[in-house]
Parts: sequence; structure tokens; C-alpha cells
Amino acid sequence: KQEVTQIPAALSVPEGENLVLNCSFTDSAIYNLQWFRQDPGKGLTSLLLIQSSQREQTSGRLNASLDKSSGRSTLYIAASQPGDSATYLCAGVNAGNMLTFGGGTRLMVKP
Amino acid sequence: DTGVSQNPRHKITKRGQNVTFRCDPISEHNRLYWYRQTLGQGPEFLTYFQNEAQLEKSRLLSDRFSAERPKGSFSTLEIQRTEQGDSAMYLCASSLLLSRETQYFGPGTRLLVL
Repeated sequence: KQEVTQIPAALSVPEGENLVLNCSFTDSAIYNLQWFRQDPGKGLTSLLLIQSSQREQTSGRLNASLDKSSGRSTLYIAASQPGDSATYLCAGVNAGNMLTFGGGTRLMVKP
Repeated sequence: DTGVSQNPRHKITKRGQNVTFRCDPISEHNRLYWYRQTLGQGPEFLTYFQNEAQLEKSRLLSDRFSAERPKGSFSTLEIQRTEQGDSAMYLCASSLLLSRETQYFGPGTRLLVL
């Protein structure tokens, strides 16, 4: 049974800092790993999808990496902005395309 | 708006009542998923459909829960005899039947059982 853990659970940084969010998973047989953003009381917005054959994906100031052998993924956010404040969720994707989510990291970027 | 939509957005009900939620996926998506998210936690998988067929159900989906997708388009999730522990955000997502395609989520229905 896949288990996904995210560390830290909460993070507060000043605007402009680069930061790394961590995600670990127990089953290296995942097919993909997906990072989402969730604003309070809202649904999820997909940020990046890393396929199992890839090691990283980039979109703007975001870069996500995947190391299946160690069961880890990281989300790097460059030059953080107050608008980046949200909860960031990672999810492992199994063969049936079902997602197993971590508990999320609540990010606060202070102006 | 061509995204996933869910109705209602909020529902307050009394314990023991039945509630039904609706999800309209992105039109060309043939896979539809239901998740439940409690406060401070990540979403948990409940069930999914490929076209009109319900292919998998989580152990979280007790016999009070039922989901349908009668014509392979919109889906409904019904909770019978609601309990306070059912209070959560119910999220719907859809994707294409391609290998491990990105899932697109709706805004969710927030349920509060008093």
C-alpha cells in the first residue's frame, strides 16, 4: 500500500527566498508523481506531472524532481512571492491512475 | 468554462439526512474520480469510473455511499443517513484514458453534517 509523506507540514519564508518542499513515497512502483497547489477552501490545481521515465519537470519558477530509487520527490520554488502562499500536495500515481496524496505542506510567503 | 464543475459548492445537513452531489467532468474525459478531504489532510481516493463503469471502490466507501455515472458523462455521489464524520470536502477529478494522464480537479463540495 502506497504511503506518501510530506515534510515540512508547514513553512513560513520571507518573500524572495528559494525553497524546497519534500515528498517521500514507500512504493517505488509508482508510474508518475504529481504536484498540486490548493488554496484555502478550493480545489486542486495541477502544477507538474513527472512521468516515471523522467527525472524532473520545470514550469516557470517551479522545478520538480523525482528519484524513484530513493522514493523521493522535491518541489523547488525560486524567488518565492506572497502569491505562492498555499498548500502544496504531492501524489503518487499508480497503475490505475489513482492518486495517493501526502498530507501537504502549508506555505506562507511573507511580504 | 470547460473545467470540472461540482454542485453544490456547500451543503449543510442534519445527521441522518441523505445528500447527493454532482460532478460534471471535462467533456472529452472518460475517467472520473471521487476523493474525500478532511481538514488539514490530503485527499483520499473513494472511487473511479471509466465511462459508465465503476472500476474500483476504496474501503473508505461504506455501504452508505453510492456513486453513479449513468451515461458516462456526469456523476453523482450520494451519502445516505449522514453522520458527523462524513463532514469533509468531496472532490471530483477527471482525466483522459491515456496512460497516467493528468487529473483535473473540480472546486469541491464542502459538506457539514450537524
